[in-house]
Amino acid sequence: GAGVSQSPSNKVTEKGKDVELRCDPISGHTALYWYRQSLGQGLEFLIYFQGNSAPDKSGLPSDRFSAERTGGSVSTLTIQRTQQEDSAVYLCASSRGTWETQYFGPGTRLLVL
Amino acid sequence: KQEVTQIPAALSVPEGENLVLNCSFTDSAIYNLQWFRQDPGKGLTSLLLIQSSQREQTSGRLNASLDKSSGRSTLYIAASQPGDSATYLCAVNYGQNFVFGPGTRLSVLP
Repeated sequence: GAGVSQSPSNKVTEKGKDVELRCDPISGHTALYWYRQSLGQGLEFLIYFQGNSAPDKSGLPSDRFSAERTGGSVSTLTIQRTQQEDSAVYLCASSRGTWETQYFGPGTRLLVL
Repeated sequence: KQEVTQIPAALSVPEGENLVLNCSFTDSAIYNLQWFRQDPGKGLTSLLLIQSSQREQTSGRLNASLDKSSGRSTLYIAASQPGDSATYLCAVNYGQNFVFGPGTRLSVLP
């Protein structure tokens, strides 16, 4: 497709369940980024990939969060044992090269009950 | 601590006015700085990216400046239009970290 796509667009889950969020970057973009936007708060940087490698995972909020990228394309962000404070919009972006102009997807709105 | 602030938090202007949005950052060791707009319920759209070695970038009615030594960037919007109404976010790239400001919510009244 022409832009960054994310799925699902909305996800409602129960506390304690695992969720997997998917991001399809723009074709040919080597860098991919994950962010979180909580209600009433600003955007929080989580992690970025250069190819399939994530140089720094310290931005992930806790060890319940993990992310991977395969084939230099699709990325998944997994949240294990979800908590109510994980409720947020999770945004993905990609860029041609690392830290070049980022193009954002529409986001996945996660609600943990 | 790497922090980014934006002033004003909200701004309402009549159509046609020129306006300035301000962004300040505490750590001047930046890689680059980007300005985005976010429309309600939608993702972010990149407006301008300024490399640390640059002083300004222009795109259409938008001009962004960067003063690294003072930790400031401004986004100038000329001849504002109702379609410019959105939240404008400043984001500073520190190489391994990307810090967003809280945004300026702009309303341009017809």
